[in-house]
Amino acid sequence: AQSVSQHNHHVILSEAASLELGCNYSYGGTVNLFWYVQYPGQHLQLLLKYFSGDPLVKGIKGFEAEFIKSKFSFNLRKPSVQWSDTAEYFCAVISLEYGKLTFGQGTILTVHP
Amino acid sequence: DAGVTQSPTHLIKTRGQQVTLRCSPKSGHDTVSWYQQALGQGPQFIFQYYEEEERQRGNFPDRFSGHQFPNYSSELNVNALLLGDSALYLCASSKTEGNEQFFGPGTRLTVL
Repeated sequence: AQSVSQHNHHVILSEAASLELGCNYSYGGTVNLFWYVQYPGQHLQLLLKYFSGDPLVKGIKGFEAEFIKSKFSFNLRKPSVQWSDTAEYFCAVISLEYGKLTFGQGTILTVHP
Repeated sequence: DAGVTQSPTHLIKTRGQQVTLRCSPKSGHDTVSWYQQALGQGPQFIFQYYEEEERQRGNFPDRFSGHQFPNYSSELNVNALLLGDSALYLCASSKTEGNEQFFGPGTRLTVL
């Protein structure tokens, strides 16, 4: 069975600080990887995805993530956060074998202006 | 182009009752997945429907059942409701398994 672990439950930053949210998964086969974001009062939206190719993927709003296969990791980064990035972030993995999208427990990001 | 829609938005039931939640997928999508998101947790996969059949199922009891209609819309049914079934129920649609899933706004179910 696959599982996803997000390193931090709640991260608090000031505007312009750099962000890195950790995500590790447990599954040895071929996977597709996602980061979703849930802004307050809104539904889950896709931030970025990795299917294959360049392991450094860029998403919306200046976010990027790096897939490191040897570490089973897919960490999310942003060089300079904004107050509007305050949201909950979910890492998710789907293995092509199981076909089930598995989410991490989520990381709440609070950005102070 | 409408995204994924779900109804109702909120629902309050009592223990032992039954509930039906509805989902219409994004235009062009044929696969519907359902998730349960408890407070403070990530979404948990319930099951997935494709071609009107359940293709995958997560670790949920048989009280949770579903259906997909020829127009790809879907229903989630929960029987014999428990207090622990209180959660946000999310529907997601996609074109094929493994591809990007688009999520609806969810139905907030409260069981008293």
